[in-house]
Amino acid sequence: QSALTQPASVSGSPGQSITISCTGTSSDVGAYDYVSWYQQYPGKAPKLMIYDVTTRPSGVSNRFSGSKSGNTASLTISGLQPEDEADYYCSSYTSSNWVFGGGTKLTVL
Amino acid sequence: QVQLVESGGGLVKPGGSLRLSCAASGFTFSGYYMSWIRQAPGKGLEWVSYISASGSYTNSVDSVKGRFTISRDNAKNSLYLQMNSLRAEDTAVYYCAGIMESTTHFHYWGQGTPVTVSS
Repeated sequence: QSALTQPASVSGSPGQSITISCTGTSSDVGAYDYVSWYQQYPGKAPKLMIYDVTTRPSGVSNRFSGSKSGNTASLTISGLQPEDEADYYCSSYTSSNWVFGGGTKLTVL
Repeated sequence: QVQLVESGGGLVKPGGSLRLSCAASGFTFSGYYMSWIRQAPGKGLEWVSYISASGSYTNSVDSVKGRFTISRDNAKNSLYLQMNSLRAEDTAVYYCAGIMESTTHFHYWGQGTPVTVSS
């Protein structure tokens, strides 16, 4: 099971919007609407931000949104804030297996 | 509030064994699938192993099959990972994570326990 492909880094200024892509295959991202996104600060545990491609858990800001087209899922953060600076990971479920992306470091300039 | 607290990590020599534990509280443990996920130093997340809510079904990533065994004790609200034949590449922080039954995302996470495999 190969890791999903994410850009190593993205950056944006406060107030701007950024999008992080997550590319898999027709066996994982493309096969199921079971893509989730996690935010991780250095030295901390990951936190669920988006699940089932587009759903935000309770308590997660509506500035975070998810989408999917074919084998590529995306996380968009609008109205960037300094506290959004973190690592972001996508994950896809497939038949009792999970695969993560390599992670994207978001820098808020 | 929900808590997942891992323990049992440490320094072990190549070929050695460790048993990780994860104590759950604040939610109905028996209603959750559970997983172990690891993160090597400076690297990304890697799913390691999964167990169904009843414990009757498990699955693991190919690189640990035959060496790691996941188990749970719903009476004790605890999850375990028995790790044998450890290798340097198993060095990582190991997180336990909870998956609400009939879903596929990691809803709850522990703070992690570090495992270092080195001579």
